[in-house]
Order: sequence, then structure tokens, then C-alpha cells
Amino acid sequence: QSVLTQPPSASGTPGQRVTISCSGSSSNIGSNTVNWYQQLPGTAPKLLIYSNNQRPSGVPDRFSGSKSGTSASLAISGLQSEDEADYYCAAWDDSLNGPWVFGGGTKLTVL
Amino acid sequence: EVQLVESGGGLVQPGGSLRLSCAASGFTFSSYWMSWVRQAPGKGLEWVANIKQDGSEKYYVDSVKGRFTISRDNAKNSLYLQMNSLRAEDTAVYYCARDRRVRGFDYWGQGTLVTVSS
Repeated sequence: QSVLTQPPSASGTPGQRVTISCSGSSSNIGSNTVNWYQQLPGTAPKLLIYSNNQRPSGVPDRFSGSKSGTSASLAISGLQSEDEADYYCAAWDDSLNGPWVFGGGTKLTVL
Repeated sequence: EVQLVESGGGLVQPGGSLRLSCAASGFTFSSYWMSWVRQAPGKGLEWVANIKQDGSEKYYVDSVKGRFTISRDNAKNSLYLQMNSLRAEDTAVYYCARDRRVRGFDYWGQGTLVTVSS
């Protein structure tokens, strides 16, 4: 069982906006920033969002992140077929289990 | 171009040992924290261990403490993971990643598969 909680699946049609949630606690999301990773089928993960809402160079602005309290969200607007992937949230954890904890991942299906 | 290339994975019996390597290029290796992250077949990501630039600080997930040892050789631009007393639940693809701390893991290798089975 993962320290951070994500829905196992999400879906949307091309052009739609979808959001993926990530719930944690005061020792991780509540006191540290959140990062998001995209893992396309059969490939290594890729950093999508860092420090809650920052996009690395090359990541389209269709991807955005936010955080409030002990929860965070990833939003994808203008959904495209190539966005079909697994998405993971991660945060630094101040407890003994740390320092890094991940969510269980959300499989996004583009219908 | 930043590149991370893992090697050393394979099939090992329970209780056995394996040493993973990660060769880094395209950046100043000695300036960055580095991490190992694993992914069991069909499962999610799990951070395993990380190491400070000069090797003076190392951290591990509870499940591998006392069994795994992370190390680095800055002269060889290489990261290592010595895995002892391996268990079936250690079966996973192991990725090395450049660890930017709160800015996340910004570069990943392609991964190396470790299978623990008799």
C-alpha cells in the first residue's frame, strides 16, 4: 500500500480536461512540494511537474499541477491520445519512511 | 545529453547477492544527489535509496535497510547498488535517477531487471 493515495484509473476523450488527485499527510504533501511523473507503456518514468506546479523544459503547458493542504492534483487539458500513460505523484516525507514516497499510480485511458 | 545507463541485473536465487551499476554522462556527476527507484512487475514506483554528492549521506527505504548499500565513484561517474540477502519481493526493474531533491528525479535510466527466484 502506497503512502500517497491516487485513484487507480482515469479516463477522458480527446480534447477533454482530466484531473488526477493525490492525497497524503502532514509529513509529506502537507509540508513538502509535490512532483508528478508520466510513464508511457514500456518506458522509464519522466518528470512532468516539479515543486507543485513547475514544468520542466519541453513539457507542454497542457499539463499543470496544484497543491492544497495535504492533497495535490495534476490536470491535463486538451487531452491527446499520446497522453495515455501511468501517472505518479511523489513527495518528500519527513517521517522515518522517507525521504521519498510515491503514489500508487493512475492509469489514464484516452477513449 | 544526459544519459544514465544501468547494468548488472539478472536472475538470482533467494538469499543471493547482486551489484547494480549506473554509468552517468552528459552532466557533472559529482554535483548531484543520485537515487535508485524500483518497480515490481505490474506495480508502481518505489524509491529505494539515495546518496549525497560526496557520499557522506545515504538514505534507504525501510524494507532494504541492512541488506542494500548505495555507493558512488565520482571519478568513474558511476552509481552502484549492492544488494544482499535478496528476497522474492525485491524482484523489480531498478532505475537510477538524478535526484534534484525537492525538484524531483529529472533524468532516469532505462532500468535493469532483477529477478529473485529459485
